[in-house]
Amino acid sequence: DQQVKQNSPSLSVQEGRISILNCDYTNSMFDYFLWYKKYPAEGPTFLISISSIKDKNEDGRFTVFLNKSAKHLSLHIVPSQPGDSAVYFCAASASGSARQLTFGSGTQLTVLP
Amino acid sequence: SQTIHQWPATLVQPVGSPLSLECTVEGTSNPNLYWYRQAAGRGLQLLFYSVGIGQISSEVPQNLSASRPQDRQFILSSKKLLLSDSGFYLCAWSVGSGSRSEQFFGPGTRLTVL
Repeated sequence: DQQVKQNSPSLSVQEGRISILNCDYTNSMFDYFLWYKKYPAEGPTFLISISSIKDKNEDGRFTVFLNKSAKHLSLHIVPSQPGDSAVYFCAASASGSARQLTFGSGTQLTVLP
Repeated sequence: SQTIHQWPATLVQPVGSPLSLECTVEGTSNPNLYWYRQAAGRGLQLLFYSVGIGQISSEVPQNLSASRPQDRQFILSSKKLLLSDSGFYLCAWSVGSGSRSEQFFGPGTRLTVL
């Protein structure tokens, strides 16, 4: 049973436009969410996180939105750049399950020049 | 600054052979340490985590084991590899005792079992 789902395995966006990556979760106990970026043959790099007490967190070109009622979060990248092309993973954790992250299956983002 | 090392970067092993992957962290004390596996086309699956020397928690039943002989060293082992053990193995670290802490990943080891 996948508790964190990224239903789009791939996404292509033109350079300069907005990229929107989506993630859904089923476990209502999750209260902390993270996005990671991964290049081939490298470890994931932490991008941005959000606590369940917020509905938006922004860091430069990256903004994460959280809709708790829908159990949905999204990552917006604007403007998109070719260097953003990578696999993006969302992850979630719950208080009390300390130290465990549950990852989605990832979305391959391709930013076209 | 903190850095995390994993080796080897790539490994090709025959079925039934042993395995030892090593991970070390520099620049921090008493980190939480993790082993993940990414199978082809799939997400990251947590295999083991450790909150201190000699303390190992296993998340999934499997053919692998982990050990933490020193504060900043985490080892993933197997006595006999299976074909299904192929994948990309990632070590990660974090600090703090709560669940709201980012984990930082090493460069990974690509394991192919033939």
